[in-house]
Amino acid sequence: DTEVTQTPKHLVMGMTNKKSLKCEQHMGHRAMYWYKQKAKKPPELMFVYSYEKLSINESVPSRFSPECPNSSLLNLHLHALQPEDSALYLCASSPPGQGRNIQYFGAGTRLSVL
Amino acid sequence: QQQVKQSPQSLIVQKGGISIINCAYENTAFDYFPWYQQFPGKGPALLIAIRPDVSEKKEGRFTISFNKSAKQFSLHIMDSQPGDSATYFCAARARNAGGTSYGKLTFGQGTILTVHP
Repeated sequence: DTEVTQTPKHLVMGMTNKKSLKCEQHMGHRAMYWYKQKAKKPPELMFVYSYEKLSINESVPSRFSPECPNSSLLNLHLHALQPEDSALYLCASSPPGQGRNIQYFGAGTRLSVL
Repeated sequence: QQQVKQSPQSLIVQKGGISIINCAYENTAFDYFPWYQQFPGKGPALLIAIRPDVSEKKEGRFTISFNKSAKQFSLHIMDSQPGDSATYFCAARARNAGGTSYGKLTFGQGTILTVHP
């Protein structure tokens, strides 16, 4: 299994809603990442979890709340988002040891905030 | 200093031609340089990567050329095919970025490659 699986694939939410994005990997990777990608732009790092601990927060607004319940699962909780938060949200993971430079990306969740 | 500058923004190549995408960086702490390929509706996928102690790396039709003194690296796609049409991102990772061994990738702005049949 070499996949990073993200659900849902698409999400439409209002500005007062609370929703969550989910990411799973079963490759034994010990780092997991959340990225935000706008159309025709590169991915922008939001958060990095290393061994289930938050290690990097790129000054992301508190309306985005990450959670890493275990080494295979990463969630992104969304609350009171703004229309400008509409984007593709990508999850990635990296193996430990020599392969830790490599990031494997999921297909993303396409989020629309109305 | 954290930027990676990528050019061109878009590139059109005929089938069988050579596609060349260039990247430049300033931060001498970067020690790992991957290229990612992204198709519409998909996440980026690692294509090929190089470390600065090597001047060239080849995998099939894809070659990275690295010039450490000029702080530049480039991706060459030989015998370009319509299936290569995608967005390509160069990236760089700094040693011990963020105080963790799982560092941050700094991406270039991307190049949209179109290969005409």
